Amino acid sequence: NAGVTQTPKFQVLKTGQSMTLQCAQDMNHNSMYWYRQDPGMGLRLIYYSASEGTTDKGEVPNGYNVSRLNKREFSLRLESAAPSQTSVYFCASSEIAGTQPQHFGDGTRLSIL
Amino acid sequence: EDQVTQSPEALRLQEGESSSLNCSYTVSGLRGLFWYRQDPGKGPEFLFTLYSAGEEKEKERLKATLTKKESFLHITAPKPEDSATYLCAVQARGSARQLTFGSGTQLTVLP
Repeated sequence: NAGVTQTPKFQVLKTGQSMTLQCAQDMNHNSMYWYRQDPGMGLRLIYYSASEGTTDKGEVPNGYNVSRLNKREFSLRLESAAPSQTSVYFCASSEIAGTQPQHFGDGTRLSIL
Repeated sequence: EDQVTQSPEALRLQEGESSSLNCSYTVSGLRGLFWYRQDPGKGPEFLFTLYSAGEEKEKERLKATLTKKESFLHITAPKPEDSATYLCAVQARGSARQLTFGSGTQLTVLP
């Protein structure tokens, strides 16, 4: 049982390049989330999708876009990467948006030069 | 604004030496408090959810407790495999979707 799968695991970009981080879950969860994790800081929510067909901004959405492709897949796009976006990105899912625990993937480590 | 502060930032214990990790929070009405474990290079792994003051949850050597201002994660007779970063997060009643995370406590258990 894979749970939440993120691709790629590692990526190096140059400033101004674009890329899409992929996330898929096989738990039939309705809600999905994108976080970033920086040293000394807690996980911060970028965007979330409470259900298929809906997306909403989180705490730090600037510079990112998302697409909820279907119930299983939720992608995060950086249109013009900046060094400040160097981080570890985690995707998570939960059965419903509420007090259900969120289940996380193993992250994408992104460096922007 | 919801805030979560975890202490200490890092903790080194000898195997078998029990201790507690602290999570202090301010939130406009607590909907739930979550504890996660994170191993290096991995995503957070869910441990517990606590909903109201006085509630306790246990799993193997871990026991989580909740008051109106803080939560404790008690580790009894830890083993080296308990070494990890432990994260605390809160969800406010007015925010049905968003979790606010603390920066974590890095626990190292020495054999």
